[in-house]
Amino acid sequence: GEDVEQSLFLSVREGDSSVINCTYTDSSSTYLYWYKQEPGAGLQLLTYIFSNMDMKQDQRLTVLLNKKDKHLSLRIADTQTGDSAIYFCAEKGTSGTYKYIFGTGTRLKVLA
Amino acid sequence: NAGVTQTPKFQVLKTGQSMTLQCAQDMNHNSMYWYRQDPGMGLRLIYYSASEGTTDKGEVPNGYNVSRLNKREFSLRLESAAPSQTSVYFCASSSLQGGIGNQPQHFGDGTRLSIL
Repeated sequence: GEDVEQSLFLSVREGDSSVINCTYTDSSSTYLYWYKQEPGAGLQLLTYIFSNMDMKQDQRLTVLLNKKDKHLSLRIADTQTGDSAIYFCAEKGTSGTYKYIFGTGTRLKVLA
Repeated sequence: NAGVTQTPKFQVLKTGQSMTLQCAQDMNHNSMYWYRQDPGMGLRLIYYSASEGTTDKGEVPNGYNVSRLNKREFSLRLESAAPSQTSVYFCASSSLQGGIGNQPQHFGDGTRLSIL
């Protein structure tokens, strides 16, 4: 079945780059999303990439997609303490059109 | 611009009590969803409504019922609460029913529910 996997934790120093990785199984995915969840809040859409793209850059965020390996990554440049949160990868395939599959989330801790 | 509004934000119930979680969106979205979030398990889909008048089971529907009251509102009901239903519940909505198009989900801030 469809599945999305992420590592649970990542710790980086302020000012360094963070790379959060995600693997997915549904090869029919059309869009892949990154969401951010701050404590006590809902998920907030950060960025997304269409499956015919390899890379998308949006200010400090860079998304890389390797469709062959079904691997998605989110790079945050110049990571700040305000970036500390849980980051979720999600896919939306054509096979369950109404359904989104979320990863377990990666908790990013930024050390001052 | 409120987006997706969930009420209540917090609730404590006793085992066996019933409760309805409310969700409303003001973005004219067709599709609405209910998820639960548990530590280490990410988001699990309970029920969704692709459009007004339709509802379908997700991954973990047992113990829950839903009502799509109108295009704006989608409620989740626990008929007889159990401790295993202690969780954070999120409502979400998205714009299109299908086809090609970027259709991100928009989330409410969640309802933190404890069942004693």
